[in-house]
Amino acid sequence: AQSVTQLGSHVSVSEGALVLLRCNYSSSVPPYLFWYVQYPNQGLQLLLKYTTGATLVKGINGFEAEFKKSETSFHLTKPSAHMSDAAEYFCAVSDRGGNTGKLIFGQGTTLQVKP
Amino acid sequence: DTAVSQTPKYLVTQMGNDKSIKCEQNLGHDTMYWYKQDSKKFLKIMFSYNNKELIINETVPNRFSPKSPDKAHLNLHINSLELGDSAVYFCASSQDAGDYEQYFGPGTRLTVT
Repeated sequence: AQSVTQLGSHVSVSEGALVLLRCNYSSSVPPYLFWYVQYPNQGLQLLLKYTTGATLVKGINGFEAEFKKSETSFHLTKPSAHMSDAAEYFCAVSDRGGNTGKLIFGQGTTLQVKP
Repeated sequence: DTAVSQTPKYLVTQMGNDKSIKCEQNLGHDTMYWYKQDSKKFLKIMFSYNNKELIINETVPNRFSPKSPDKAHLNLHINSLELGDSAVYFCASSQDAGDYEQYFGPGTRLTVT
């Protein structure tokens, strides 16, 4: 069965510093991987996704993630944090076996950006 | 022109009551979902419909019943509400069941007292 582990429930960085949010997955089939962002009191918004092809994926708002099969990781990075990046970030893996669109989410990481 | 909308945004009710949450999407998608986000922000899928057909039915109490009158709407009815049902409920949609890119609504915060 597919699963996702996000290392660190809370990450704090200074404005302008590198953002690194960690995600490891477990999947019995080649996974589709996603990062979603949730701003306060809002729904989730897709940041980026990996399905096939290039392992370095670029998303919105300057975020990118790299799929590393050997490490079963899909860490999210951004070179320079902005105050507006403060939000909850969720990594997710697809349950492709059933072809139902089912996503399994990690526990989430709260990103705090300090001035 | 909200893509995925939910009503109501907030719902406060007492234990034992029955309530419904409505969801509509104007994206022309075939597949819709209900998720529950608990107080620790853990997000778990509950149900999914593809073209009005139930395709995901996770282990949730049978007090929860989804209904899809057409592929643009997916409602969630909850009977005999319990304290543990307090959560944020999100509706989402995707192009079809094989498309894992999902668009989420703003959520409905349900508080059971």
